[in-house]
This record gives sequence, structure tokens and C-alpha cells, in this order.
Amino acid sequence: DQQVKQNSPSLSVQEGRISILNCDYTNSMFDYFLWYKKYPAEGPTFLISISSIKDKNEDGRFTVFLNKSAKHLSLHIVPSQPGDSAVYFCAASPSYSGAGSYQLTFGKGTKLSVIP
Amino acid sequence: NAGVMQNPRHLVRRRGQEARLRCSPMKGHSHVYWYRQLPEEGLKFMVYLQKENIIDESGMPKERFSAEFPKEGPSILRIQQVVRGDSAAYFCASSPRQTGGPVEQYFGPGTRLTVT
Repeated sequence: DQQVKQNSPSLSVQEGRISILNCDYTNSMFDYFLWYKKYPAEGPTFLISISSIKDKNEDGRFTVFLNKSAKHLSLHIVPSQPGDSAVYFCAASPSYSGAGSYQLTFGKGTKLSVIP
Repeated sequence: NAGVMQNPRHLVRRRGQEARLRCSPMKGHSHVYWYRQLPEEGLKFMVYLQKENIIDESGMPKERFSAEFPKEGPSILRIQQVVRGDSAAYFCASSPRQTGGPVEQYFGPGTRLTVT
């Protein structure tokens, strides 16, 4: 039972254009969301996060949008650069205290290729 | 400013042997998490520890797997009597003290375990 879904295994985008990566979740207890970027043979690198009290968070070229009613979030990268080519993971966490509170549930990832 | 450190980076074990994976959290971080990634999958939570305490081991297999985070030294994930299905990448993450809700977890480079 996949609670965090990234339905596009791969995405190709031209350099300079916008990359949009999507993520859906099913667990209504999730209210903190993160995006990680991962290069081969390395650990995931934290990119940006958003709490459910917000619908948008921006950090430089990266913006995350959250639609809580649709249980959907997306990561926008603009402009896309060749160095952005990596696997992007969406992750979610509930924010209550107690068992299970801080574990991240990950999607399977989307491989982004930015073509020069 | 060292990040999360894991060693070894690669570990080969024969079926039935023991595997010990080590993780040193980022400086100032007192919370450690272990995740496992199977090929073509997202990361799956295994266990969450603080110094000398297991907080949440709900993702850990009941047999052969154990984890500790002693007062001194790194966190250790121990797999006894390894089987081929244990072959995976094991990632450790750390975070600062949790107050008021979840925070970003920072990941190490991972240990790639191969069971022959």
C-alpha cells in the first residue's frame, strides 16, 4: 500500500525551461512534506519542505506547491539546469508526537533529465 | 563541517554472516534514523533512535535486525545471518533535537550491502 506516489518514473526537460515534478499522497495524517534530490551512489540531499499550514514555499529556483484537499504536491524548478539531472523523491511525515511521528514515507522517485 | 558519515560504503557478505553498518550523525544532531532502499524503490523507514534509546522500530524486521545508538560512538545497524534479500542500500539520516514537530532529516551517502 503506497502512501506516497510519484506516478512519473522519468521526466525530460530542455535546459532553461520549467521542470514540474508531481506527488500524491493518501494518508490524511501527513502534514509535513519534503523533496529530496539524489545522485547515483549518493545519499538523498534535502531540497525544500512545506508544512500543511502553507500552500507554497519558495527557495531560489525551487518552489513547492501543496494542495491539501487534493492530497497533491508539486515541485517546480525554474529555470532547469543540467546539474538538476537526478532522481527526485517526495517524502511525507505526520507531525503528531509519539510512535511513527518522525518517520518519513518516501515515493519511488522521478528521474529528471535536463537536456542542454 | 562534516555531514552524516556512514561506513563502510560497500559491504559484501556471504549468506549466514553478520553485517555491521555504522553511522555518525552530523555535529549537533542527536536523532538518528535508518532507512533501506531496494532497487527501483523509495527509501523505507526502519528505526529511529536517540542516544541510548530506541524511539520507534516499527519498520525493522522482527528477526535478525537490531540497532543501537550508544552514549559514545556511532549508531550501529546490525544484521545477523544475512540472506540475499537483505541486499540493498542502507541510509542513515540525522536531525537536530525535535521540538514542536518534524524537521528535515539529513542523509549520509549510504552503505551498499551485497549478500552473495
